[in-house]
This record gives sequence, C-alpha cells and structure tokens, in this order.
Amino acid sequence: DAGVTQSPTHLIKTRGQQVTLRCSPKSGHDTVSWYQQALGQGPQFIFQYYEEEERQRGNFPDRFSGHQYPNYSSELNVNALLLGDSALYLCASNAEPSETQYFGPGTRLLVL
Amino acid sequence: GESVGLHLPTLSVQEGDNSIINCAYSNSASDYFIWYKQESGKGPQFIIDIRSNMDKRQGQRVTVLLNKTVKHLSLQIAATQPGDSAVYFCAEGRMNSGYSTLTFGKGTMLLVSP
Repeated sequence: DAGVTQSPTHLIKTRGQQVTLRCSPKSGHDTVSWYQQALGQGPQFIFQYYEEEERQRGNFPDRFSGHQYPNYSSELNVNALLLGDSALYLCASNAEPSETQYFGPGTRLLVL
Repeated sequence: GESVGLHLPTLSVQEGDNSIINCAYSNSASDYFIWYKQESGKGPQFIIDIRSNMDKRQGQRVTVLLNKTVKHLSLQIAATQPGDSAVYFCAEGRMNSGYSTLTFGKGTMLLVSP
C-alpha cells in the first residue's frame, strides 16, 4: 500500500519564477492538505482540497494556489517566488471522516 | 501568527530511559491532538492521537496524556531507543463544518545516546 508520494524531491528556482509541486495521496484517501515548513519550525497550513475544491485556507497570499484532480491527486502552485518561499513543502492526506493526516516526504524548494 | 524561535527545545536521554516530551497548546476548542515524529529529511510520521474528551491513551511504547485544565499535552516514550531520535511535534486538530485542519506546535528534538 503506497503512502503519500510527492514530486519532485528537490527543486531550485530563482526569484520571480513559478513552481508546481505534485502530490499523490495515500490509497483510499480523498482529502489533501498542503503545508509549508521553514527550517527549524513546525509545518504551517496552506490549504486543503476535497472534491476538487479548496475548502479551507491558512494565512498565505494568493500567490499560493492549488488544484485537486478527480483521482484525488493534487498540485501546489507558487507564483512570483520570493527568497522567503524557500522551505520544505509537505502534502498530507486523510480519508473523510477520519481526521488523521498522513504526510508525504516533502519537496525541498530553494529560491535563489 | 505566532512567532517561533530558530532553536528547538532539545531533550537528551540515554538509551533505555523513559522520555517525556511536553507541549502547551493554545486553543481550548481543539477537538483532538496528534503527535508526529519527524526524522531529518523526511515528512512527519503519525505516532498517536487523542480526542479532547480523553485524558490518556496508550500505544506501543508510547503514552499520551492530556490535561485540558492547563492546556498541556505530553508524550511518554518507554525504553527510548536510538531510532527514536527525531523532532517531535504536537498538533491541534479542529473540526469545522465536518472537516478538520491541523495547527502544529514548535517541536522538540529528542536525542538518544547509546
């Protein structure tokens, strides 16, 4: 049973560029949440997708957007990258109505 | 949002000792709590959860205690092993209109010496 998978594992971009990160949820899970984890800090909630709709959003600007596909996989898009966007981006999935979220290994983004 | 420091609280123990990792939470309306373990270069790994109407829950080698009076959560690890070395996060979960979101604490680094 495959867990949550994310791609790519690492990514280097320059300021102003755009990036797309991908996530496949754990088998049987229909809800995907995205988190940003800066070095030495806990994950910060970005947004959550269910039934292809964003239904909850954390305190992140509109430069952060996402999408969920009918197969429940998801993308996180970040436009106009800033140096401060450098972080580990984590995807987590759960199966409604269970609240327990399972995390993927993350994508390490470095913005130069 | 809350401000966090760059230096994680660290707990150093010897192999075989029992470890207790503490967490203070802020929202008395939280519905459940989860402890995660994060090893270097990996995503958080689920350890154990507890609902807000409970005060204790046990798993394999782990026990979580919840004190709602003082908004305090602890994770006890019995017979700590070097493989337990990692950063441990507590997360508060809240249900909103049938769905849940998590808010993470600052994390504690556990170092286990052989």
